[in-house]
Amino acid sequence: QKEVEQDPGPLSVPEGAIVSLNCTYSNSAFQYFMWYRQYSRKGPELLMYTYSSGNKEDGRFTAQVDKSSKYISLFIRDSQPSDSATYLCAMSRSGAGSYQLTFGKGTKLSVIP
Amino acid sequence: IAGITQAPTSQILAAGRRMTLRCTQDMRHNAMYWYRQDLGLGLRLIHYSNTAGTTGKGEVPDGYSVSRANTDDFPLTLASAVPSQTSVYFCASSRGYEPGANVLTFGAGSRLTVL
Repeated sequence: QKEVEQDPGPLSVPEGAIVSLNCTYSNSAFQYFMWYRQYSRKGPELLMYTYSSGNKEDGRFTAQVDKSSKYISLFIRDSQPSDSATYLCAMSRSGAGSYQLTFGKGTKLSVIP
Repeated sequence: IAGITQAPTSQILAAGRRMTLRCTQDMRHNAMYWYRQDLGLGLRLIHYSNTAGTTGKGEVPDGYSVSRANTDDFPLTLASAVPSQTSVYFCASSRGYEPGANVLTFGAGSRLTVL
């Protein structure tokens, strides 16, 4: 079992829809959770950063962490064609051991006008 | 604009040739990283450096070497390129390597084709 699982999609939604992107993980030591957005032929850029469980909102984006289920989500409200990109989840452990980020493989999202 | 500069943007290379991908950051970040990104495999860490003068191996280090002579530069060298090293290479940096400081800033990538 991979440490981080992410459905690669592709996911296609109409403009204005609510999008839900998800990752599951197996390592209970993960405490720091990130979402990166990657446009075609560009480098990933940080979208959201959360620590431990709970929700974090930034404009149309909400990141949710459920540590009991080892499940994280990114919600996009009122999706726009400019949200079309690949979304990568990433996570980092705390405590002893390597702090290197572990990435999901990414979900490709297309928002259709 | 502060950030990471990678060069070249793209390159076609004959197998067996030596190639160095350059990476420079101007954010005074302590930690730097090299990833490769392949379809279906996602981002995989090649090498990293937690601070100038130190380097470490990531998930897929074979066939690659790095050096970190100063804070700003982190070149990646392919000593003798093979077709399986065809990929998009991303350099990244972070303020530190510890939790909370290890949020990555990525460069735009270097697309390498080995024939």
